[in-house]
Amino acid sequence: DAKTTQPPSMDCAEGRAANLPCNHSTISGNEYVYWYRQIHSQGPQYIIHGLKNNETNEMASLIITEDRKSSTLILPHATLRDTAVYYCIVRRSGSRLTFGEGTQLTVNP
Amino acid sequence: DTAVSQTPKYLVTQMGNDKSIKCEQNLGHDTMYWYKQDSKKFLKIMFSYNNKELIINETVPNRFSPKSPDKAHLNLHINSLELGDSAVYFCASSPGQAFDGYTFGSGTRLTVV
Repeated sequence: DAKTTQPPSMDCAEGRAANLPCNHSTISGNEYVYWYRQIHSQGPQYIIHGLKNNETNEMASLIITEDRKSSTLILPHATLRDTAVYYCIVRRSGSRLTFGEGTQLTVNP
Repeated sequence: DTAVSQTPKYLVTQMGNDKSIKCEQNLGHDTMYWYKQDSKKFLKIMFSYNNKELIINETVPNRFSPKSPDKAHLNLHINSLELGDSAVYFCASSPGQAFDGYTFGSGTRLTVV
């Protein structure tokens, strides 16, 4: 599975959009981009995934560049409860879920 | 109604003891996993079972033995506990199909003293 690169930390003001970037320049055609988050002391939580089209659900939006070498997770109106470590994971369907270091997002009041 | 439940939530035990952590999922998923999160917060997969069969076994000491009595349960037994086993252990499950988003339990914090 392709390796991903994320900034170690980011800050966001409450109520503003949080845009979390992820680079995955070695992604191959059959690999999906998954996003999970881990709120302190809880298990990781699935957020969203996509292959090449942009995706949106009740939690977030996922924007994948046309060349698929990078993506951005958007939390449209961040709240204090969105403070968590966010993991961008690239993997083939059915392969194991391997976590990197992720981005610590801190939402400030 | 908890989807993936682990017990106990906290476990404090002495070195050398044997302990078990239980995991149950009510999602009807075919595949279950154990992950370990150490003090540096890295999440690493340990084991994976699909329909009671072991399919992933990472380089884990053989003191760790998973057991899956049925596809809804995956228990983790640890023999001769060591200080380095202190960590948070997460159970997870997935449908094992084309889209296999994982659902994680809330974790078991194991402290070996």
